[in-house]
Amino acid sequence: KQEVTQIPAALSVPEGENLVLNCSFTDSAIYNLQWFRQDPGKGLTSLLLIQSSQREQTSGRLNASLDKSSGRSTLYIAASQPGDSATYLCAVRQGAQKLVFGQGTRLTINP
Amino acid sequence: KAGVTQTPRYLIKTRGQQVTLSCSPISGHRSVSWYQQTPGQGLQFLFEYFSETQRNKGNFPGRFSGRQFSNSRSEMNVSTLELGDSALYLCASSLNRGPGTNEKLFFGSGTQLSVL
Repeated sequence: KQEVTQIPAALSVPEGENLVLNCSFTDSAIYNLQWFRQDPGKGLTSLLLIQSSQREQTSGRLNASLDKSSGRSTLYIAASQPGDSATYLCAVRQGAQKLVFGQGTRLTINP
Repeated sequence: KAGVTQTPRYLIKTRGQQVTLSCSPISGHRSVSWYQQTPGQGLQFLFEYFSETQRNKGNFPGRFSGRQFSNSRSEMNVSTLELGDSALYLCASSLNRGPGTNEKLFFGSGTQLSVL
């Protein structure tokens, strides 16, 4: 059974810092890995998707890496801003459209 | 292009009642999946529909059911509601061109269900 773990559960940093969020999974047989952000009481917004054959994806200040053999992914956020405050979730896709999610990292950027 | 639309946004029900939630996917998306989000269990997969057929199902009791219509809109039904069914129910859609393609899932804002 696939298990996805995100560390840390919560993170608070001052504005402007670069930071890394971690995601690990137990079964490397995945189609892809997707990072989402969720604002309180809202749905999920897709940030980056990395196919199982890829090593990383970049979008603006965000960079996500994938090491399938070790079951790890990281989300790097450069020059953090207060608007980046949200919960960040990683999810691995296994079969059809089923995603297995981590519990998320609640990120707070302090002005 | 309109996003995934879920209605209603909030629902309050009592134990034993049943509820139906609706999801309209992004135009052209054929796959719709449903997830339950609770503070304790996080996000859990309920089921997925493609071309009016359920293709995949998570580990939820039979009280949770769904269907998809010919226009790809989907409904989810929960019968005999229990207090533990209180959750944010999220719907997601994708093009679903195949498992090897670069497909993101796009989520709606969810329906917040409270069971009293």
